[in-house]
Amino acid sequence: AQSVSQHNHHVILSEAASLELGCNYSYGGTVNLFWYVQYPGQHLQLLLKYFSGDPLVKGIKGFEAEFIKSKFSFNLRKPSVQWSDTAEYFCAVNALGGYSTLTFGKGTMLLVSP
Amino acid sequence: EPEVTQTPSHQVTQMGQEVILRCVPISNHLYFYWYRQILGQKVEFLVSFYNNEISEKSEIFDDQFSVERPDGSNFTLKIRSTKLEDSAMYFCASRGQEDTEAFFGQGTRLTVV
Repeated sequence: AQSVSQHNHHVILSEAASLELGCNYSYGGTVNLFWYVQYPGQHLQLLLKYFSGDPLVKGIKGFEAEFIKSKFSFNLRKPSVQWSDTAEYFCAVNALGGYSTLTFGKGTMLLVSP
Repeated sequence: EPEVTQTPSHQVTQMGQEVILRCVPISNHLYFYWYRQILGQKVEFLVSFYNNEISEKSEIFDDQFSVERPDGSNFTLKIRSTKLEDSAMYFCASRGQEDTEAFFGQGTRLTVV
């Protein structure tokens, strides 16, 4: 079974600061990787995903993530955060194929101060 | 844009009562899921459903839980006899095909008192 580890539970940044949220996964086979975001009071929304190809993937709202296979990592980055990025961020992984379930990390709560 | 819808948004129930949480997945999707998130904790997988049967379930999904797709559009989660520790946000999700992303509903906040 796969597992996901997110290194930071809470991150506080000022607007315009750069962001990097760490995510490592554990699984012996090929995986799909995701970052989901949950704004206060809202549902989980897909931020970006990696299935194959270019390991640097770009998502919505200026976010990007890099898949480093040798490190089993899929870190999320944004060069300059905004107050509206305040949300909880979840890294998730599923094994390739079929109905395979998403396994989530514990989430990182990002608070951006104006 | 198609979306997954869940009802109700909030449900308060007494311990021992049965609750049914409802979800309408995106219409042409084939794979359906329930997840839950206890306050302050991570999102946990409960069950997946494909081709009108459970394809996988977690340890959390014990005999008190059941799922059903009664009419080809709704996907329900039933908890037969709720416990205090069932209080959580319950998310429904659906996927169209293999190796695509899951789309989540807005969740039902269940409070057991």
